[in-house]
Amino acid sequence: DTGVSQNPRHKITKRGQNVTFRCDPISEHNRLYWYRQTLGQGPEFLTYFQNEAQLEKSRLLSDRFSAERPKGSFSTLEIQRTEQGDSAMYLCASSLGATGPNEKLFFGSGTQLSVL
Amino acid sequence: AQSVTQLDSQVPVFEEAPVELRCNYSSSVSVYLFWYVQYPNQGLQLLLKYLSGSTLVKGINGFEAEFNKSQTSFHLRKPSVHISDTAEYFCAVSDRSPTGNQFYFGTGTSLTVIP
Repeated sequence: DTGVSQNPRHKITKRGQNVTFRCDPISEHNRLYWYRQTLGQGPEFLTYFQNEAQLEKSRLLSDRFSAERPKGSFSTLEIQRTEQGDSAMYLCASSLGATGPNEKLFFGSGTQLSVL
Repeated sequence: AQSVTQLDSQVPVFEEAPVELRCNYSSSVSVYLFWYVQYPNQGLQLLLKYLSGSTLVKGINGFEAEFNKSQTSFHLRKPSVHISDTAEYFCAVSDRSPTGNQFYFGTGTSLTVIP
């Protein structure tokens, strides 16, 4: 168990460019979540997967955002035509997927995105 | 949808003093309650959680929290803090949904322990 791994740790990009982040969850974890966190705020839910199926998307997730989990293991989050307002820490979390009391999130260290 | 309010954005406290970090939630349904801690340059870690049963929940590193249904609160406490407790603390709530839980987080409380 190596924990949830996110790459890259930091990403600086120019406005209008596309960026892609990767998350490797803890193995055997069925659920994978993406959150966004800005300075002074708590994590905001973006989307989550049960295996390879994307089950829920927040209204925060505009059309420029897309997430995939093609084989039910790692996931990617892509932001197209980045805007300065996209600057944030993007957090990935995974869980065993059991409902109720066993639902416990394990977080990665995040990818800090800065859009210039 | 749930909402979580953490009343204090920053809490400075001297080493070995007690501390309470406040959390209130709004929900019309039964929920699970959590406290997560985020140390500098690290991911969020679960500190403790309330699911059911005893309203006093004990977590790691000597922290505890008390669920108060009438006041819809879940305040975090520690009787004596250490320098290493300096971190960001997030209160979170999730629905008791059979289809899976979505977690809602508060805005966080930055705890600074002063030597």
